[in-house]
Amino acid sequence: EAAVTQSPRNKVAVTGGKVTLSCNQTNNHNNMYWYRQDTGHGLRLIHYSYGAGSTEKGDIPDGYKASRPSQENFSLILELATPSQTSVYFCASGDARGRDTQYFGPGTRLLVL
Amino acid sequence: GQQVQQSPASLVLQEGENAELQCNFSSTATQLQWFYQSPGGSLVSLLSNPSGTKHTGRLTSTTVTKERRSSLHISSSQTTDSGTYLCAIDRSNTNKVVFGTGTRLQVLP
Repeated sequence: EAAVTQSPRNKVAVTGGKVTLSCNQTNNHNNMYWYRQDTGHGLRLIHYSYGAGSTEKGDIPDGYKASRPSQENFSLILELATPSQTSVYFCASGDARGRDTQYFGPGTRLLVL
Repeated sequence: GQQVQQSPASLVLQEGENAELQCNFSSTATQLQWFYQSPGGSLVSLLSNPSGTKHTGRLTSTTVTKERRSSLHISSSQTTDSGTYLCAIDRSNTNKVVFGTGTRLQVLP
């Protein structure tokens, strides 16, 4: 049974619209991460969290917000979506400061028109 | 510049051949992981190997921390090994994991 799930799996949004990507993990991990994957760039870290109530900026946080209301849930929010945010987004969970194995969700394909 | 560089960018093998994938990183790392991404996009962790040599099944990873490099050896490749192999480091004194752009492996029957 999948321990990290993401919703939606596919999303089409309009420029300027608000998009929320959701992630749920049942690993009871403290750390959760949001990445985007684009051709030529690999996976890049957007935001991460050490636990409920915490969010930290990753390498490319501009244009994104994050929310960690509980141990299990971590959301990525695009308040004003732009076409440059068209990408595949992956959520992951991990036990301790990235030093333990990260477990990834199946990804969300986002197209911003 | 790119903090994690992987080579080759792509590799085509016949089934049964061995593969050698390289990962070089420019900053000190306290953790190094190898991931497999299937053609469908799903990502799974293969090995965590910050230093030394680790084996699991047909995979062997050797990391030389002082030289900031790691390799992943796949023995007796199978068509189901096809996909992209990603190397990732956890940079020292940060909480951020940095990924390379991957090696795309295609194993032909």
